[in-house]
Amino acid sequence: GENVEQHPSTLSVQEGDSAVIKCTYSDSASNYFPWYKQELGKRPQLIIDIRSNVGEKKDQRIAVTLNKTAKHFSLHITETQPEDSAVYFCAASKTGGGADGLTFGKGTHLIIQP
Amino acid sequence: ETGVTQSPTHLIKTRGQQVTLRCSSQSGHNTVSWYQQALGQGPQFIFQYYREEENGRGNFPPRFSGLQFPNYSSELNVNALELVDSALYLCASSLPGVDTQYFGPGTRLTVL
Repeated sequence: GENVEQHPSTLSVQEGDSAVIKCTYSDSASNYFPWYKQELGKRPQLIIDIRSNVGEKKDQRIAVTLNKTAKHFSLHITETQPEDSAVYFCAASKTGGGADGLTFGKGTHLIIQP
Repeated sequence: ETGVTQSPTHLIKTRGQQVTLRCSSQSGHNTVSWYQQALGQGPQFIFQYYREEENGRGNFPPRFSGLQFPNYSSELNVNALELVDSALYLCASSLPGVDTQYFGPGTRLTVL
């Protein structure tokens, strides 16, 4: 089955700096890659997603890039703010509609230092 | 638009007992997936329900079972609870054929 590796496990950046979280996946048939943000004690919230027919997607301060050949994708957060502090999860799936479910990475704890 | 809701919020059980967790999907979403999130880990896919039938399953034993009802709500049942079943159980709803999944707040299950 699919395996998703996520790095780093903890990332501490100064407020206003950029943060980059990287994930690799094993199944070349995977075609959907969402990113979720989970604050302590709260539900995972979708922040951005990308499909395999697109190389990059942006939404304000957040961007995701995908390299299908290398089977890796990354989350980029610019101008970080205190409210960006949370655990971020990448995920991958290979079927439209998710019948195989999402395979998640182990998460990155992002800490924004004031 | 109503988001995904789950009940109960917290639950404490002892080994060997059975538990039922409930999920109401987001308005208009007829596909429900269940995930188990152990402390400090990413969610793991248990199974998905669509049109009241199991549509896909992850690597979980048969003592994990589910139901979906005509109003799209869903239940997760776990029999013969083990200590390792202690986790946050999340459900997520989606539209049929659409990848995007929206998560509920989860049920925190503690097995003693």
